[in-house]
Amino acid sequence: SQKIEQNSEALNIQEGKTATLTCNYTNYSPAYLQWYRQDPGRGPVFLLLIRENEKEKRKERLKVTFDTTLKQSLFHITASQPADSATYLCALEARPPSGGSYIPTFGRGTSLIVHP
Amino acid sequence: GAGVSQTPSNKVTEKGKYVELRCDPISGHTALYWYRQSLGQGPEFLIYFQGTGAADDSGLPNDRFFAVRPEGSVSTLKIQRTERGDSAVYLCASSLQLGFSANVLTFGAGSRLTVL
Repeated sequence: SQKIEQNSEALNIQEGKTATLTCNYTNYSPAYLQWYRQDPGRGPVFLLLIRENEKEKRKERLKVTFDTTLKQSLFHITASQPADSATYLCALEARPPSGGSYIPTFGRGTSLIVHP
Repeated sequence: GAGVSQTPSNKVTEKGKYVELRCDPISGHTALYWYRQSLGQGPEFLIYFQGTGAADDSGLPNDRFFAVRPEGSVSTLKIQRTERGDSAVYLCASSLQLGFSANVLTFGAGSRLTVL
């Protein structure tokens, strides 16, 4: 069956360090992979999107890698700050059958806690 | 509006009652999605609209759940004969879908449903 796996344990790091979050998947051939941030009581907010033929994408302090052989995406936040504390969700979009639509399927998310 | 608006933000109801949750998407966004999120889990897809029609309702758990989008803008998720297991946060998202491509979703804050 199809699975998207994100570490259920919270990641605790010190301010200024690089946070690395992992998204693994099985039985998917995603055309796109997205990362979202979710704060308590709020809806997810889009951060970055990477395509299947891209290896890496950057945006300010954020970097996403996508390895379709390992079936894994890594999400990095450099020079982390307490304000980066949140839950980070990965979402996959598999190529739909003919006439179908791309629908993001989400992992459970990993909580990041950045300590001052 | 500027963002996706969902009402009510909180709804407490008794088992067996009927509930309606409303979503007002970003103006001009043709695609609208409903997801459900339980505590500690990622958003779970329910239904997707392209314009007025439900393009994919494969995520609706059973026939107690129904959603409409009569004019291609506001959508209502309807739950009949609510059960305690329906308790969750119901998230609505919209996107400016341009043909077959990645869907970057803009989420509302969600409607928290509690069934007693």
